[in-house]
Amino acid sequence: KNQVEQSPQSLIILEGKNCTLQCNYTVSPFSNLRWYKQDTGRGPVSLTIMTFSENTKSNGRYTATLDADTKQSSLHITASQLSDSASYICVVSLNSGNTPLVFGKGTRLSVIA
Amino acid sequence: ETGVTQSPTHLIKTRGQQVTLRCSSQSGHNTVSWYQQALGQGPQFIFQYYREEENGRGNFPPRFSGLQFPNYSSELNVNALELDDSALYLCASSFSGGGGYEQYFGPGTRLTVT
Repeated sequence: KNQVEQSPQSLIILEGKNCTLQCNYTVSPFSNLRWYKQDTGRGPVSLTIMTFSENTKSNGRYTATLDADTKQSSLHITASQLSDSASYICVVSLNSGNTPLVFGKGTRLSVIA
Repeated sequence: ETGVTQSPTHLIKTRGQQVTLRCSSQSGHNTVSWYQQALGQGPQFIFQYYREEENGRGNFPPRFSGLQFPNYSSELNVNALELDDSALYLCASSFSGGGGYEQYFGPGTRLTVT
């Protein structure tokens, strides 16, 4: 069964600190892996997209890594800000292109002052 | 802002009723995907429309149906609403062809079934 598992389920960190979110997947065949940020009650917004040949990709303070051999990915957030408080969802795409997408349940990050 | 719009933003319906949700895709996109997101869960794929034809479907019953129009906007219809249909419904537009991967999500429609 195609699954995407994320950990931790929730995380609280102090403003300015770094954190790393984890994603394990069993999706096959694998096309690409994406990390999305979703504010409460809003649609997800893309942070990074990586194909199986890419190991790392950065977007500002967000850095995603991918190990296609172990089927693991991580999202590292540096110098966290209060506005980083959101759910971070790992998404894996089957086959090529856009569909279908298999979503994890997300990690709920709370950044506090 | 992604350029993807959805209407309405919120909706309250009674069990057994029917509902239609709408999505306008981003300019230049020819594909729309619909997702259901229950509270505290990740989105679940409902179906996708490409050039007005259904192009893939998730594990949802036939009472979930859709349409895509020549301008690539789309509708999601749900008949015989059940309490468990209460969720945030997301649409995402993308361009299929040319190796593009990105899907752009709208803000969602919050459906409450009572």
